[in-house]
Amino acid sequence: GEDVEQSLFLSVREGDSSVINCTYTDSSSTYLYWYKQEPGAGLQLLTYIFSNMDMKQDQRLTVLLNKKDKHLSLRIADTQTGDSAIYFCAESTGGFKTIFGAGTRLFVKA
Amino acid sequence: NAGVTQTPKFQVLKTGQSMTLQCAQDMNHNSMYWYRQDPGMGLRLIYYSASEGTTDKGEVPNGYNVSRLNKREFSLRLESAAPSQTSVYFCASRSGTSGKDEQYFGPGTRLTVT
Repeated sequence: GEDVEQSLFLSVREGDSSVINCTYTDSSSTYLYWYKQEPGAGLQLLTYIFSNMDMKQDQRLTVLLNKKDKHLSLRIADTQTGDSAIYFCAESTGGFKTIFGAGTRLFVKA
Repeated sequence: NAGVTQTPKFQVLKTGQSMTLQCAQDMNHNSMYWYRQDPGMGLRLIYYSASEGTTDKGEVPNGYNVSRLNKREFSLRLESAAPSQTSVYFCASRSGTSGKDEQYFGPGTRLTVT
């Protein structure tokens, strides 16, 4: 069945770039997402990429999609302590179903 | 706009007790969702409602029931709680079903069943 996998932890120093990686199995995925969850809060959509795109940039965020390898990454430039959170990768083929990964907890050290 | 609100924020139940988790959205969204979040696992869809008056099972519906009371409200009921239902429950809503339509999440209900 469909599955989304991502590493559980990432630790970076403030000011460095963070790269969070994700792999998915459903080759018919049309939308791929990155959500952010801060402590005690619900998920918030950070950005998404349509499957016919290779890259999307939005201020400090860069999303790269390798459709052949079913690999998605999120790069956060100049990582700040406020970026410490759990980041979820998710995919959808449209409709009502979205498949979420387990989340990557990003620790930013001052 | 309050967005998506959930009550209660925390709840402790004994095995066999029942409870209803409440969710409301003020964004006039058509579809609403209930997910559970467990450590080391992604969010899993319990039930969803495509529109007022309709509900459908998601990935893990066993042990739960839902009601779409009106366009604003979507409740999740545990008839006889079990320790396996200890989890964080999130409600979400969405205006449409295009992948571009953002899901908006509530702050979650942390449920412990002893």
